Amino acid sequence: GDSVTQMEGPVTLSEEAFLTINCTYTATGYPSLFWYVQYPGEGLQLLLKATKADDKGSNKGFEATYRKETTSFHLEKGSVQVSDSAVYFCALHYNQGGKLIFGQGTELSVKP
Amino acid sequence: ETGVTQSPTHLIKTRGQQVTLRCSSQSGHNTVSWYQQALGQGPQFIFQYYREEENGRGNFPPRFSGLQFPNYSSELNVNALELDDSALYLCASSLGSGGVPQETQYFGPGTRLLVL
Repeated sequence: GDSVTQMEGPVTLSEEAFLTINCTYTATGYPSLFWYVQYPGEGLQLLLKATKADDKGSNKGFEATYRKETTSFHLEKGSVQVSDSAVYFCALHYNQGGKLIFGQGTELSVKP
Repeated sequence: ETGVTQSPTHLIKTRGQQVTLRCSSQSGHNTVSWYQQALGQGPQFIFQYYREEENGRGNFPPRFSGLQFPNYSSELNVNALELDDSALYLCASSLGSGGVPQETQYFGPGTRLLVL
């Protein structure tokens, strides 16, 4: 069945470091792909999305490119801030039943 | 434009009890999805309602049931609570048209349920 796999956390970085969080997926058909962020004690916020191959989603300095050939949607940011500390979830949208399928989440901790 | 709201924020129940969680969708949205997020895990899809009809269901037993009202708000009911039902329950809303829910879902803050 369809699934999403993320790199394991926690990821600990110093402020202004480069961030990559890996995400790969298995899907029948051509899903849309998403990154959501969850701050401590809160719900999920949509960070960015891409709906077809080679699309790049971007928001707040974060970027991810939909790579069909490698079935990946890696999240990147050039310079992280302490305020980026959160759990990041990669997800795909499964058209039948309209559900999102999430990865297990990757915790990011940014130190000053 | 109001976002997705959920109530209550926290709840403590004992095993065997029943619970009802509530969700108000974002203004203009007609589709509501419910997810269960266990500690340290990604959210798992429970079911989705589109225009008051169930539109899809995940691998959850029948004691998980739901409703969507004419104003598109929704309830999640869980009967015969078990310890493993302890989790954060998230509601997400989206706009569907032509019978197809839009793929971008906007989440509420969640209800944290503890079953003792």
